[in-house]
Amino acid sequence: QVQLQESGPGLVKPSETLSLTCTVSGRSISSGYYWGWIRQPPGKGLEWIGSIYHTGSTYYNPSLKSRVVISVDTSTNQFSLKLNSATAADTAVYYCARERPLQEWSQGTLVTVSS
Amino acid sequence: EIVLTQSPGTLSLSPGERATLSCRASQSVSNNYLAWYQQKPGQAPRLLIYDASRRATGIPDRFIGSGSGTDFTLTISRLEPDDFAVYYCQQYGSLSLTFGGGTKVEMK
Repeated sequence: QVQLQESGPGLVKPSETLSLTCTVSGRSISSGYYWGWIRQPPGKGLEWIGSIYHTGSTYYNPSLKSRVVISVDTSTNQFSLKLNSATAADTAVYYCARERPLQEWSQGTLVTVSS
Repeated sequence: EIVLTQSPGTLSLSPGERATLSCRASQSVSNNYLAWYQQKPGQAPRLLIYDASRRATGIPDRFIGSGSGTDFTLTISRLEPDDFAVYYCQQYGSLSLTFGGGTKVEMK
């Protein structure tokens, strides 16, 4: 059973970088699959942010591509999200998940962008 | 980017009734790589259906996925109290994933 747990600051200042890490247990990231980030603004629907394959290939939502970097660290079995130039519109619950389809999800963490 | 349109936005039904949720894609979904998720308040979404019609592990057989190409349907044959939630479709046939806007199934 794959388990995912995200970690990172719950409050980010506008214009700063939103950074989150997802720790995977129960399966090695190197064994395959896509690993992704999804977010959900309060009271709204789901938005896919991007994915990374175990080889390091990345795929991003075109609307966020200019601000997003997803990376993987196979030695710690973690993958990370960096979203630059954060604004209030980036306030959301952020999930990490094993992808295609999204079979296992983390519990989600609320990140608020505010001064 | 494939746009997914879900309808209706809200479905008001009683326990025991049949729910029919629609998901229409702006272009054909490759390999019918279409999934359905259930989300309850304060919880992460849960995978119900993948590859348009395959039930995920542990999902009851009252959840039925069907369709192909651009038109997909999730049917809940007889609603149980635990089924009242928001349902999302999502395609993973292209490198860029997209979600539908969701259908809320509420108790009448």
